[in-house]
Amino acid sequence: EVQLVESGGGLVEPGRSLRLSCTASGFTLGDYAMSWFRQTPGKGLEWVGVIRSRVYGGTIEYAASVKGRFTLSRDDSKSIAYLQMNSLETEDTAVYYCSRAVARRFDPWGQGTLVTVSS
Amino acid sequence: DIQMTQSPSSLSASVGDRVTITCRASQSISRYLNWYQQKPGKAPKVLIYDASTVQSGVPTRFSGSGSGTDFTLTISSLQPEDFATYYCQESYTSPWTFGQGTKLEVK
Repeated sequence: EVQLVESGGGLVEPGRSLRLSCTASGFTLGDYAMSWFRQTPGKGLEWVGVIRSRVYGGTIEYAASVKGRFTLSRDDSKSIAYLQMNSLETEDTAVYYCSRAVARRFDPWGQGTLVTVSS
Repeated sequence: DIQMTQSPSSLSASVGDRVTITCRASQSISRYLNWYQQKPGKAPKVLIYDASTVQSGVPTRFSGSGSGTDFTLTISSLQPEDFATYYCQESYTSPWTFGQGTKLEVK
């Protein structure tokens, strides 16, 4: 079964850092681009970034709202994708999801991990 | 960025009803449009991709149509498990934006 499991969420103070992990099983992570999304009641679903597979150069793109603060990486040997979040702001509070990019759709998604940025 | 606008924002319907949700893009996205279903406390699940291709395992009562800027998701005969929130997403270009969602509720 293809599955993604996020971990690493929690409560963090503004300005601090947090790293999320996305552990893949049931498929070869290295064959796919991996994307991150976040969801809040107010702003809905928002794409955060994508890291492509080595075959496509491992290129990375970020949403404007997180560029310069968030970093995507991957360790294909461990089947884990990472989202490093620095200089966190209260507006970054959300449920964060990772998802596998299959052609032009995202499937499956992990169960999500809640990040709360608050003092 | 491409703006995606869904209507309605909420919809009340009964089991057995035929339901249609629309999604409009702020510019042409060809047929690069996905539909997702999300239930409370769960992650989104893709139903339709490339505007009209039904994802494997998704019941055939779900269908999609459209191209350019206007798209629709149709549920031919609502089942109890279909009451959820539905999102469209453009897959034409990053930042791959979503519609605001349509909450389908029991009448």
